[in-house]
Amino acid sequence: VQLVQSGGEVKKPGASVNVSCETSGYSFATYGISWVRQAPGKGPEWMGWVSTYNGNTNYAQKFQGRVTMTRDTSTNTAYMELRSLTSDDTAVYFCARDSPGSLWYYPFDSWGQGTLVTVSS
Amino acid sequence: EILMTQSPATLSVSLGETATLSCRATQSVGANLAWYRQTPGQAPRLVIYGASTRAAGIPDRFTGSGSGTEFALTISGLQSEDFAVFYCQQYNRWPRTFGQGTRVEIK
Repeated sequence: VQLVQSGGEVKKPGASVNVSCETSGYSFATYGISWVRQAPGKGPEWMGWVSTYNGNTNYAQKFQGRVTMTRDTSTNTAYMELRSLTSDDTAVYFCARDSPGSLWYYPFDSWGQGTLVTVSS
Repeated sequence: EILMTQSPATLSVSLGETATLSCRATQSVGANLAWYRQTPGQAPRLVIYGASTRAAGIPDRFTGSGSGTEFALTISGLQSEDFAVFYCQQYNRWPRTFGQGTRVEIK
C-alpha cells in the first residue's frame, strides 16, 4: 500500500491550494481517504473524509465552506482543495487511508508522506 | 465532538525501562481507539488499533489497553526508536479526533 502526495507549495494569503494523493497497492474504492493537517509543533487535526466509492464527503465543521475533497477513480487519486488561505493554514497536510463509510470503523493504517503548505505574503 | 486528552505531555524514560501513556475521551468510543507514533519529519505510523491490537510489524513490547473512555499504551523495554511523540485517536465518530500527544524522551 502506498499513498504518494504532491510536492510542497508556497501560497499568498487569500489563495487556494490543491494537494493530491495518488494511491496504489490496494483496491481504491474499498477504503475512504481522510485528510489530516499538522501545524508546526502541534498535533494532527482531522479535516475531512471522502468516499472513494461514490464521492460522498464529511468535513470538519471548522473547514466547512472552505475545503473540497474529491477523488478520481480512473487514477486512484484523491484531492483536497483549501481556499482563502491565511497564515494559520501553514501546515503539513497528510492523506490517510480510512474507512469506506460511517458504518465501518477503521484506523488510519497508511499515510501519505505529507505536503508542506506555506502561506506567506 | 469527542475530545481526547493525553497525559503526561512529556515522559522522560531511560533505555530499557517501561513507559505508560494515558488517553481519555470525553465520551465512550468503545474500542475504536488507535495509537500512532511520530518521529520528526515523518507521518504518524499506526501502532495500536481496536484499543489493544498491534498493527503489522509492531513488536510485542507495545501493549494497548482500555475501553470506553480510558486507555493506556505501555511500552516495555524502551529502545531508541521508541523515543518519539505518541498520539491517541478515536475513530468511533466523526469528526475523528486526536489527543495533543505525549513526547517520550530519553532520560
